[in-house]
Amino acid sequence: DIVMTQSPDSLSLSLGERATISCKSSQSIFSRPNNRAYLAWYQQKPGQPPKLLFYWASTRESGVPDRFSGSGSRTDFTLTISSLQAEDVAVYYCQQYYSAPRTFGQGTKVEIK
Amino acid sequence: EVELLESGGGLVQPGGSLRLSCAASGFTFSSFAMSWVRQAPGKGLEWVSSLSGNGDSTNYADSVKGRFTISRDNSKNTLYLQMNGLRAEDRAVYYCAKEAVTIGDHYFDCWGQGTLVAVSS
Repeated sequence: DIVMTQSPDSLSLSLGERATISCKSSQSIFSRPNNRAYLAWYQQKPGQPPKLLFYWASTRESGVPDRFSGSGSRTDFTLTISSLQAEDVAVYYCQQYYSAPRTFGQGTKVEIK
Repeated sequence: EVELLESGGGLVQPGGSLRLSCAASGFTFSSFAMSWVRQAPGKGLEWVSSLSGNGDSTNYADSVKGRFTISRDNSKNTLYLQMNGLRAEDRAVYYCAKEAVTIGDHYFDCWGQGTLVAVSS
């Protein structure tokens, strides 16, 4: 199975600061034939189900604010929140869909300082 | 608007059975694969099982293989998860999740609110 490792486990920042979450896969999840990384990001607010933010590592889902961005390739990926807002308090998960079984990172909790 | 509504969770004794249901609306149900993803209390997300749009192709996590069965009724726009031989480690919120494709493993573009399964004597 592909192991997804996120860092840090938690992040406490002030409003307006930049948040950066890393996600590393234990093997490449990039497909050369279609030039795509098989990685998704989800946001889970307290008491709610996960919500899709990005797929193909950097394609923003409809309705996701543009202060969120996704990047990366092969085994190293990043989710960035350019200016942290109160409503961004959540746990963020990465997920690979390159090979079965699909696996998630352990999650990164983002809080306001 | 896409909506997924799970039901069927509850408290069951170890070794017991439960059947979860997920009622879907707002999209052409038969055109998309569906999955169950679970989350133990205070823990991360674990994919459990998936089923293709026409119901012909299934996949299971090793942790539930042989005990859980996924199925769907496209005439009722409903996904099911039959869970037998439940163990304490199966305790979790079970989410129904819509896949972005008809068949194959992909990302999940819509999630239900979840239903809690508790296993205890």
